[in-house]
Amino acid sequence: GAGVSQSPSNKVTEKGKDVELRCDPISGHTALYWYRQSLGQGLEFLIYFQGNSAPDKSGLPSDRFSAERTGGSVSTLTIQRTQQEDSAVYLCASSLGAVGLNTGELFFGEGSRLTVL
Amino acid sequence: GDSVTQMEGPVTLSEEAFLTINCTYTATGYPSLFWYVQYPGEGLQLLLKATKADDKGSNKGFEATYRKETTSFHLEKGSVQVSDSAVYFCALRGGSNYKLTFGKGTLLTVNP
Repeated sequence: GAGVSQSPSNKVTEKGKDVELRCDPISGHTALYWYRQSLGQGLEFLIYFQGNSAPDKSGLPSDRFSAERTGGSVSTLTIQRTQQEDSAVYLCASSLGAVGLNTGELFFGEGSRLTVL
Repeated sequence: GDSVTQMEGPVTLSEEAFLTINCTYTATGYPSLFWYVQYPGEGLQLLLKATKADDKGSNKGFEATYRKETTSFHLEKGSVQVSDSAVYFCALRGGSNYKLTFGKGTLLTVNP
């Protein structure tokens, strides 16, 4: 597609359930990022992929969070045993290469809004 | 570690007013600095950037100058329009050259 696509756009779940969030980056973009946007907290870095590898997953808040990327394209962020504090908008972004190697421009999707009841 | 502090919003202005959104940063080395904008219902998009001290980034009437001595990158526009209503994020690329560190965002509302 023309831009970064994320699904679902909205997800309401019950505490303790697992959720999967999907990101389809711009074709040809090798770098992929997940950020979390919480009310009053700005954008919090979660994980960075270069191809299918994740050189930096230091931002994942706990071991309930995991992410994978397959075929150098689609990425899935999984949150197990969701908690209310996981409620946020999860943003995916892609770029041609790591931001240090290009203009620094990340292309963002519209996000997946997660609400944990 | 790297961090970005920007003025808290919300900011409400009348059309044609002057806009300043303050942004200061902490980083090792010589970071690159960015402003991203998020219009309602859309993803974040790059507004402007500056890669070295004294550089001025500009786009769509917005400007920001990289001030190393004050570690600042304030966003300005001389005459805002209703269509500028959005959330503005200051960001930096610092020592780890593969990711951006963002501020908390500033909501701007421009009234006709």
